[in-house]
Amino acid sequence: DTAVSQTPKYLVTQMGNDKSIKCEQNLGHDTMYWYKQDSKKFLKIMFSYNNKELIINETVPNRFSPKSPDKAHLNLHINSLELGDSAVYFCASRRTESNTGELFFGEGSRLTVL
Amino acid sequence: QQQVKQSPQSLIVQKGGISIINCAYENTAFDYFPWYQQFPGKGPALLIAIRPDVSEKKEGRFTISFNKSAKQFSLHIMDSQPGDSATYFCAAFSSGSARQLTFGSGTQLTVLP
Repeated sequence: DTAVSQTPKYLVTQMGNDKSIKCEQNLGHDTMYWYKQDSKKFLKIMFSYNNKELIINETVPNRFSPKSPDKAHLNLHINSLELGDSAVYFCASRRTESNTGELFFGEGSRLTVL
Repeated sequence: QQQVKQSPQSLIVQKGGISIINCAYENTAFDYFPWYQQFPGKGPALLIAIRPDVSEKKEGRFTISFNKSAKQFSLHIMDSQPGDSATYFCAAFSSGSARQLTFGSGTQLTVLP
């Protein structure tokens, strides 16, 4: 069983479209994240949720809207896609009580905007 | 601004050699320093982590050395193997209520057979 699963794994779309990426974790964690990995493999945090509540919202265009229907799910909706949104998006989770910085990542969703 | 700086960007090592990756951090509000390993097409996975009050931690062939006064830490991979070929990220875990991982820029390690 995959601990953190993301769908879809690949997404190719045209500029201006709206798309969503879904994330689910079965680890019982209550903190979840979205990270963006660019073409140079740099990983940057976008959002963090704790128990469905937004905790961290980095400088991300408001075209990106996360939604956490319950603590096992954190979805990412992107409006009016732009070329610069092309990247790999990773969902991750951790136990809130954990102090070690261990995050469990999904396998990523590669978004290509044409 | 980048709070965790990592070097080198890429590293090529012969099988059996030692791989060394260095990181430096700027913010003192970090209280854990993990290293992550990422294979192509996969998400990063925790490799080894260290607390700032410990100067060294070893797990198998992987060792973290930590210098708190210099705000530097490094990963040593002993007896490097082709299967170690991956991208390695150092990271710093922030303290406080909004805890997050800040990653270095990554090192592409290639171990030649």
